[in-house]
Amino acid sequence: AIWMTQSPSSFSASTGDRVTITCRASQGFSSYLAWYQQKPGKAPKLLISAASTLQTGVPSRFSGSGSGTDFTLTINGLQSEDFATYYCQQYYAYPLTFGGGTKVEIK
Amino acid sequence: EVQVLESGGGLAQPGGSLRLSCAVSGFTFDNYAMTWVRQAPGKGLEWVSTISDTSVKTWYADSVKGRFTISRDNSKKTLYLQLNSLRAEDTAVYFCATGGGNFRPFDYWGQGTLVTVSS
Repeated sequence: AIWMTQSPSSFSASTGDRVTITCRASQGFSSYLAWYQQKPGKAPKLLISAASTLQTGVPSRFSGSGSGTDFTLTINGLQSEDFATYYCQQYYAYPLTFGGGTKVEIK
Repeated sequence: EVQVLESGGGLAQPGGSLRLSCAVSGFTFDNYAMTWVRQAPGKGLEWVSTISDTSVKTWYADSVKGRFTISRDNSKKTLYLQLNSLRAEDTAVYFCATGGGNFRPFDYWGQGTLVTVSS
């Protein structure tokens, strides 16, 4: 199985901050990497696919990069609605696997 | 607009069974694989099972293999998950999601249905 390790697991930030979340895979798999946002009590929402492709309707302050084993989600100018938990996920091989999540809290 | 709606969750005893359903609309259901993902209370997301568009192929997490069965009815645009031999650790919100096969992420998600396994 491909294990996904996210860091940090949580952190506090302020509105307007630039934040970066990293995701490391136990083995490389090109760019079959997605990022999801989940708010309490809600379903996850797909933000980015193929490591860097922003989904329709997702604000441009979100961006993704990386390939192989190291991936990054960046939020430029954190907004109040961005406080949530973020998950990376590889869809290259079964079992499909998620990172443990990164909770972004208000400072 | 794509709508994904799960149902069938509830309370089951250890060793018991439940059948979850997921109805999809506004989406070309029979062209895509479908997936179940679960989330235990206060925990992260865990992939459970995926079925191909024509039901020819299915994949399962080791934690549910041999106990859960995924299926679909393309004529009804509905996905199913039969949960047997339930354990306390199966307690979770179960989400239905489109995609998961053919190198696709999970594009659309339902709101989830809660399964609680307890005596």
